[in-house]
Amino acid sequence: KAGVTQTPRYLIKTRGQQVTLSCSPISGHRSVSWYQQTPGQGLQFLFEYFSETQRNKGNFPGRFSGRQFSNSRSEMNVSTLELGDSALYLCASTSVAGANTGELFFGEGSRLTVL
Amino acid sequence: GQQLNQSPQSMFIQEGEDVSMNCTSSSIFNTWLWYKQDPGEGPVLLIALYKAGELTSNGRLTAQFGITRKDSFLNISASIPSDVGIYFCAGRSTLGRLYFGRGTQLTVWP
Repeated sequence: KAGVTQTPRYLIKTRGQQVTLSCSPISGHRSVSWYQQTPGQGLQFLFEYFSETQRNKGNFPGRFSGRQFSNSRSEMNVSTLELGDSALYLCASTSVAGANTGELFFGEGSRLTVL
Repeated sequence: GQQLNQSPQSMFIQEGEDVSMNCTSSSIFNTWLWYKQDPGEGPVLLIALYKAGELTSNGRLTAQFGITRKDSFLNISASIPSDVGIYFCAGRSTLGRLYFGRGTQLTVWP
């Protein structure tokens, strides 16, 4: 079955702009998590959605937001971009069973560069 | 947020050598997982451990869930060039949150 799909794969923005990233989970997976990956900080948890509800949230400012649709697809938005937001944004989906064990299936990521 | 202490940060080894990396935490975890990230890809699950003391193998990979539930290690035997990548440990807390280590960058020279 198809894996987790993230779009776009690469994008370049300038400071102050906003960006929306999209994630389509594996069919049947209802939980979607978002992570920010930077060389210095590793994988930082942004938020998790399950059945259109935010279930967990990491320690990121309010400029970072997300949502999940009824088909389990998810989007995350970053407003008023800063240089430090340059990172690889990873989406991961999991089944109900996987949610209990932490077994995540990651997409290839969206690499955001802020100039 | 909480971060696991993963070491070493990077390793440069020759093909055929064995590799060992580990993760420690100040908190107890219910599950330990090891992921590998190839260049340009997202992390992929290698091994999941569910019980303290558990030792699990996946081909040339062996991982153990520490008896204190605060640590885990991953061994790779007889490394090959395709083992190159970043290896992440992850621990799932008693409250269900998943925390990742900062990764071990592995380089294998032919």
